[in-house]
Amino acid sequence: AQSVAQPEDQVNVAEGNPLTVKCTYSVSGNPYLFWYVQYPNRGLQFLLKYITGDNLVKGSYGFEAEFNKSQTSFHLKKPSALVSDSALYFCAVRDMSGQNFVFGPGTRLSVLP
Amino acid sequence: NAGVTQTPKFQVLKTGQSMTLQCAQDMNHNSMYWYRQDPGMGLRLIYYSASEGTTDKGEVPNGYNVSRLNKREFSLRLESAAPSQTSVYFCASSEGGTGTYEQYFGPGTRLTVT
Repeated sequence: AQSVAQPEDQVNVAEGNPLTVKCTYSVSGNPYLFWYVQYPNRGLQFLLKYITGDNLVKGSYGFEAEFNKSQTSFHLKKPSALVSDSALYFCAVRDMSGQNFVFGPGTRLSVLP
Repeated sequence: NAGVTQTPKFQVLKTGQSMTLQCAQDMNHNSMYWYRQDPGMGLRLIYYSASEGTTDKGEVPNGYNVSRLNKREFSLRLESAAPSQTSVYFCASSEGGTGTYEQYFGPGTRLTVT
């Protein structure tokens, strides 16, 4: 069965500094990987996905993610954090044979001015 | 496009009461999903519908039923609510098919069972 881990409950970063939110996964076969963001009292919004191809994926709002098959990781990154990036971030995986998405527990990102 | 809409936004139930959460999408998506979100646990899939006319259980289906009314609408019913069902419920949709498509989420329903 597939699973997703987000090892950090909380990440704090100063505005203007680079940020990384970590995600590791376990899935049989090739993974389809996704990142979503949730602002307070809102539903999740799609940021980016890895399906195949280039290991560096670019998404919305200046975010990117790096797929590393050997380390089974899909870390979310941004070169320069904004206060408005403060939110809850979820990594999700879906395998080729399944219909389901499996979400990680979420990482709360706080960007400090 | 409204995207994915959910009603109601908030609901308080007493133990044993029933209710139906409504979800509709206007993106002509094939697949629809119901999740619950609890602190520290991420989103857990309750039921999904890969296409109109089909429904399947997810990770936590006990105590819930669903109906895929048509391509647009997917409802979630709690027949006899329990305090353990206090949660935030999200409906989502996606184009479905091969699994490469992302999901689009509604704004959520915050349910409290006393």
